Amino acid sequence: DAGVIQSPRHEVTEMGQEVTLRCKPISGHDYLFWYRQTMMRGLELLIYFNNNVPIDDSGMPEDRFSAKMPNASFSTLKIQPSEPRDSAVYFCATSDWSSYNEQFFGPGTRLTVL
Amino acid sequence: AQTVTQSQPEMSVQEAETVTLSCTYDTSESNYYLFWYKQPPSRQMILVIRQEAYKQQNATENRFSVNFQKAAKSFSLKISDSQLGDTAMYFCAFMSNTGNQFYFGTGTSLTVIP
Repeated sequence: DAGVIQSPRHEVTEMGQEVTLRCKPISGHDYLFWYRQTMMRGLELLIYFNNNVPIDDSGMPEDRFSAKMPNASFSTLKIQPSEPRDSAVYFCATSDWSSYNEQFFGPGTRLTVL
Repeated sequence: AQTVTQSQPEMSVQEAETVTLSCTYDTSESNYYLFWYKQPPSRQMILVIRQEAYKQQNATENRFSVNFQKAAKSFSLKISDSQLGDTAMYFCAFMSNTGNQFYFGTGTSLTVIP
């Protein structure tokens, strides 16, 4: 398996623009997590899904952020409109019970909002 | 809520020496999982070692071992025979047995000096 795939790896955009981050989980993994990493706040869980259903979105900072998982092989995290304070590295991670709860992380998307 | 504390923001160690990274956590649960993840400059998050709270034996993976003190809620990572490739951020993480959410510490930046 290729592991968790995220795209794009880098995104530079201007304030006010819509940003969409994408994640393809490891095949067969039924949990998917979106994290944000910044120097100030460290690693923050934004939302996670189980079997494509959002379970906990309490970490989503505000209504500008939304996440979907339309099927078992794809998820998106959207920011609309984007702001400079959204600049961070966004990670997608997936897991299943057979992996003894290990979360497998994607390479991350570095987002810069100018 | 669970909290994870890493009190050492930065550490350094001479190549081939041994270093210990500290982690404490707070929980009222009796069964849970603990992890150490490594994040090298490439920013890829990689699992180093995991420990299940109901297992008294400390986990070991090659040069990496943990000192798990359940009563003290302490979970330190020992790296033996440090190598240059061990230079990275190290994150301690807690996961409840009743959920799949990870709680991460703020990380320890480890530098291995040649």
